Amino acid sequence: GQNIDQPTEMTATEGAIVQINCTYQTSGFNGLFWYQQHAGEAPTFLSYNVLDGLEEKGRFSSFLSRSKGYSYLLLKELQMKDSASYLCAVLDSNYQLIWGAGTKLIIKP
Amino acid sequence: ETGVTQTPRHLVMGMTNKKSLKCEQHLGHNAMYWYKQSAKKPLELMFVYSLEERVENNSVPSRFSPECPNSSHLFLHLHTLQPEDSALYLCASSQEEGASYEQYFGPGTRLTVT
Repeated sequence: GQNIDQPTEMTATEGAIVQINCTYQTSGFNGLFWYQQHAGEAPTFLSYNVLDGLEEKGRFSSFLSRSKGYSYLLLKELQMKDSASYLCAVLDSNYQLIWGAGTKLIIKP
Repeated sequence: ETGVTQTPRHLVMGMTNKKSLKCEQHLGHNAMYWYKQSAKKPLELMFVYSLEERVENNSVPSRFSPECPNSSHLFLHLHTLQPEDSALYLCASSQEEGASYEQYFGPGTRLTVT
């Protein structure tokens, strides 16, 4: 079966750095997405990786290793507004998105 | 209106009621999706419409019935639901071409079945 694993919850301090990991086992691979979802709101797109390596976008970076079935989302200079759930999703061989359950990130002052 | 809109935002219905959820996308996309989101569970894909034709069903119970009259509108008709159907129902759209399969989500409908 297809599976996406990510931690259920993480806590970090304002101003610090946090890394949210995602491992996947899917039928084929056509890219990996990270989405941010604030409580009661819609998921919003953060990043897309299809090749190995690090993609940097401001305070957020996303890394992919296809051989290891592994990705992480790195958040720097954490702000209180970064408190949200972070969803990892893989586009499989049928171009269908397979979703993880999400990681709830709690930022403390 | 911009992006993806959904109505209503909140819905409480009894198990014998019939209601419909509405989604509209203003992005010119050619694919639309219905998802169910329950607490601490992955997003569950319910239905996919590509170019107004249903391409994915994912074994959803028949008490959920989708309708896609055109590329901008998507409905989810609900009847004789069960309490376990209470969840956040999200609509999304995407443009299925090239390398971009990024999905844009609406704010969701919070459904409570009593």
